[in-house]
Amino acid sequence: GAGVSQSPRYKVAKRGQDVALRCDPISGHVSLFWYQQALGQGPEFLTYFQNEAQLDKSGLPSDRFFAERPEGSVSTLKIQRTQQEDSAVYLCASRPVWTYNEQFFGPGTRLTVL
Amino acid sequence: DAKTTQPNSMESNEEEPVHLPCNHSTISGTDYIHWYRQLPSQGPEYVIHGLTSNVNNRMASLAIAEDRKSSTLILHRATLRDAAVYYCILSGANSKLTFGKGITLSVRP
Repeated sequence: GAGVSQSPRYKVAKRGQDVALRCDPISGHVSLFWYQQALGQGPEFLTYFQNEAQLDKSGLPSDRFFAERPEGSVSTLKIQRTQQEDSAVYLCASRPVWTYNEQFFGPGTRLTVL
Repeated sequence: DAKTTQPNSMESNEEEPVHLPCNHSTISGTDYIHWYRQLPSQGPEYVIHGLTSNVNNRMASLAIAEDRKSSTLILHRATLRDAAVYYCILSGANSKLTFGKGITLSVRP
């Protein structure tokens, strides 16, 4: 079946531009996570949704980062006024139920801010 | 979040077993031990997880110490496709995964 998909796969933005990154989770998966992965580092947690509710946004680095999942399915991570330090791979993961089950990751969106 | 410690890298030969160690001395009673791996230019992929007992699946085995302060991921026969960064992660009730730097596994043909 279809896995987690993310779009675009690559995004180049000029400093100061706003960007929107999309995540399509596996159908029926209740939980959705966003992670940020800098070059050479492990992924770092950004935020977590259960259905449409954002239950944890403790990892968002600043108020320029905003995530939503209005209908409990597709999620969008928005970064306003991008900075060079925002350059990273942004990973989305989904999970079927509120358990310790595995998270299924998408391929990521590589954001480069010039 | 409880922390894990892994070596930076390890090399193995193709078709030989590989043992990847992980220390987690501050693990709490409700923490699960997860292993994920990440191939180049891909998102992380779940490998295995466990709580107290050893676990086996089609990809690997997870051996957990009796005091739960360490664990070992065992790949029974390494292939070139197993070359990746392997992350040992403790995940509690808050569900998020806290990745470290992981261990880079290289497989020699």
